[in-house]
Amino acid sequence: DTAVSQTPKYLVTQMGNDKSIKCEQNLGHDTMYWYKQDSKKFLKIMFSYNNKELIINETVPNRFSPKSPDKAHLNLHINSLELGDSAVYFCASGTVDQPQHFGDGTRLSIL
Amino acid sequence: DAKTTQPPSMDCAEGRAANLPCNHSTISGNEYVYWYRQIHSQGPQYIIHGLKNNETNEMASLIITEDRKSSTLILPHATLRDTAVYYCIVSGNNRLAFGKGNQVVVIP
Repeated sequence: DTAVSQTPKYLVTQMGNDKSIKCEQNLGHDTMYWYKQDSKKFLKIMFSYNNKELIINETVPNRFSPKSPDKAHLNLHINSLELGDSAVYFCASGTVDQPQHFGDGTRLSIL
Repeated sequence: DAKTTQPPSMDCAEGRAANLPCNHSTISGNEYVYWYRQIHSQGPQYIIHGLKNNETNEMASLIITEDRKSSTLILPHATLRDTAVYYCIVSGNNRLAFGKGNQVVVIP
């Protein structure tokens, strides 16, 4: 009965590849988020979707493209992976008056 | 720009109350104070939030000063599993901007 689930938990791939991370929430929230936590442990928001519409895009390279097929899912596609993309990516969901709940993270390592 | 100020780290004794301070002197009238924690690179965990009244739940208590310029998160009986980075965040629309947080270590 996990509230926010991400897959895969670990992702190891080579530079230049394209990969996707999936996120699903069963909390009925209408807003979903993607965050990036780098090696210095800073946690920064990347995107926010509300009812399948993009509402926040924090100057993320266009190699990153979120896709929301419905309000319970927000997937993250990354094209042409670079070494600097190595990080932990967290998905979260919430509403304007409900606190955000986070997934367990996807640890992306670029070789 | 950081909207909150927390000590970078602190130690707490197991079994004792842990009082975690946070300054937010530029908080706006419609902004809430949120507390999250992150245990060893797991996903951030929501703890509590409040607007101006003190709040309590099964995890912690939140004490907000009358002028709302600072707050204190209280863990009533700290356990070793409470060792984590604690984040104090102010937000008016549930948009969270995480700072560096306070690395809290509970000592046996």
